[in-house]
Amino acid sequence: SQTIHQWPATLVQPVGSPLSLECTVEGTSNPNLYWYRQAAGRGLQLLFYSVGIGQISSEVPQNLSASRPQDRQFILSSKKLLLSDSGFYLCAWSPTGNEQYFGPGTRLTVT
Amino acid sequence: GEDVEQSLFLSVREGDSSVINCTYTDSSSTYLYWYKQEPGAGLQLLTYIFSNMDMKQDQRLTVLLNKKDKHLSLRIADTQTGDSAIYFCAAGDAGNMLTFGGGTRLMVKP
Repeated sequence: SQTIHQWPATLVQPVGSPLSLECTVEGTSNPNLYWYRQAAGRGLQLLFYSVGIGQISSEVPQNLSASRPQDRQFILSSKKLLLSDSGFYLCAWSPTGNEQYFGPGTRLTVT
Repeated sequence: GEDVEQSLFLSVREGDSSVINCTYTDSSSTYLYWYKQEPGAGLQLLTYIFSNMDMKQDQRLTVLLNKKDKHLSLRIADTQTGDSAIYFCAAGDAGNMLTFGGGTRLMVKP
């Protein structure tokens, strides 16, 4: 069966520090991968998605970037964090591009 | 672009049925989804319905789709305290991107 992992689970970082969040999927190959941000337990904002290694599409221009160095690995990064980057970051994968399956999320607090 | 709307809050008594409603704007949406999110956790896919269907039942869950009105609902029969969570409706387009509603917080009172 397929599983999706995210780490770390929680992170507290000062303003201006770098960020790296990792997402990996097991038990499937060539999945579509997605990064979302959720503010205050409400709606989800799609940040990036990828249909293959090295292929990244950005939905919202901002202080973040994404990379897909391996088929089942998706990384969310920032060179300098802002206070507004605080939130709950969710990674998701899709086998076909239709239904999406979510990871457990990373709670990021920027201080 | 697509816009998905949900009511913010629903409170029911344990054992009653819950009905969570959702509206969307893009009539070309191909799949419609319901997700559940418990506190501090990721989203769990509950069920989905293809746009050429009008009803889908899965144990205690019933999804109704009115494509003409672009209205989707999720009915939970015999609601339990463990059903307390935020429920998200999402619409999928032909490009396989999902647009999520803002979520409905379901509170189940014992």
